[in-house]
Amino acid sequence: SAVISQKPSRDICQRGTSLTIQCQVDSQVTMMFWYRQQPGQSLTLIATANQGSEATYESGFVIDKFPISRPNLTFSTLTVSNMSPEDSSIYLCSVDILRLADQGEQFFGPGTRLTVL
Amino acid sequence: AQSVAQPEDQVNVAEGNPLTVKCTYSVSGNPYLFWYVQYPNRGLQFLLKYITGDNLVKGSYGFEAEFNKSQTSFHLKKPSALVSDSALYFCAVRGRNTDKLIFGTGTRLQVFP
Repeated sequence: SAVISQKPSRDICQRGTSLTIQCQVDSQVTMMFWYRQQPGQSLTLIATANQGSEATYESGFVIDKFPISRPNLTFSTLTVSNMSPEDSSIYLCSVDILRLADQGEQFFGPGTRLTVL
Repeated sequence: AQSVAQPEDQVNVAEGNPLTVKCTYSVSGNPYLFWYVQYPNRGLQFLLKYITGDNLVKGSYGFEAEFNKSQTSFHLKKPSALVSDSALYFCAVRGRNTDKLIFGTGTRLQVFP
């Protein structure tokens, strides 16, 4: 398994501002993922972040709104830009630590609960 | 396209009774299947997975799941429910040629004393 931490754990932000969420893993991983969980809903993948390359975004998510950094194998950030109340969600990062075995489950961080006023 | 269905928004069961949380999937080829649990104000915790082999998979906290290829189902089960099992449960599927996990809509399990 892996120990994953996220900062901040929660935040309340004003519309039009931006928030950067950090994800730290206690071991080196190839693939990191960012998800959004809107209130009362399931998880939706925002993007996949590989070290040394541009993040791959899912349909409906764009880099200008959700820029991602992946500077090394243990760390990633997700920025929620120009926020609106519709961005109020829990944002979770996850890692796949058994990529080489091609059968790894993903392990999730505790999430960042974002409220936009 | 890959998809996962959890037909029940909520499952209620009395403590000590067996529980089943249903999951069906649609994916081409042989899938990887997972169950996760989310306690209030917590992240997702991995419970168990099916990769290949025995159709009955055992996982954490006494949970197990049965893979049924003909019915494309992967129902989560536990012989005797605990009040502490009350949480939100997510089924997820991943195709063998992708890293992308597709989650179901979640089922809230409520175990009554």
